[in-house]
Amino acid sequence: ETGVTQSPTHLIKTRGQQVTLRCSSQSGHNTVSWYQQALGQGPQFIFQYYREEENGRGNFPPRFSGLQFPNYSSELNVNALELDDSALYLCASSLEGQRGYHEQYFGPGTRLTVT
Amino acid sequence: QQQVKQSPQSLIVQKGGISIINCAYENTAFDYFPWYQQFPGKGPALLIAIRPDVSEKKEGRFTISFNKSAKQFSLHIMDSQPGDSATYFCAASYYGQNFVFGPGTRLSVLP
Repeated sequence: ETGVTQSPTHLIKTRGQQVTLRCSSQSGHNTVSWYQQALGQGPQFIFQYYREEENGRGNFPPRFSGLQFPNYSSELNVNALELDDSALYLCASSLEGQRGYHEQYFGPGTRLTVT
Repeated sequence: QQQVKQSPQSLIVQKGGISIINCAYENTAFDYFPWYQQFPGKGPALLIAIRPDVSEKKEGRFTISFNKSAKQFSLHIMDSQPGDSATYFCAASYYGQNFVFGPGTRLSVLP
């Protein structure tokens, strides 16, 4: 186990609704990254938060937004859900601030189904 | 330039054999190349990683070979076991940001 936890485990939402996913990072880690993994594909980078600031973003629309809190836990918010948003959402934590130290540890993910 | 290509898509190996998975990248700014192992219903687990200043890294049965000039890197699993059956992803990043993952290789190790 990596020490990264995510909630909820599974979630079913209707198209057009909004969803919030949560992540608690591994103890001592100050950076959280979020990924979307569609069935049978590799994870796609959504964005990264470092010390409560967005520190990089992938090719995802603005309706995907996030937050990082002072305790380094994080939220992923998705507005106006679309059917294609159905996927496994993964959170990964790491300790940044030291050049060359980029090991990311993933949580178990949240399975989101949009109907 | 952000894409990471991975092959083969699937691989079947006999117990005790060597499993080899290959990846290629385009962006020469990448400076960190990890491999992840993922079991069904689980998040990816970091297996081994390498930086471009070395050509090989070995940890137990797992070895990464890195060819900077060819922009390729590979994972070798020696003495493959049925418990190694999983999906393997290569990835690349620069300065710990914007990790780019390959599409994955589904490995099956036959008993």
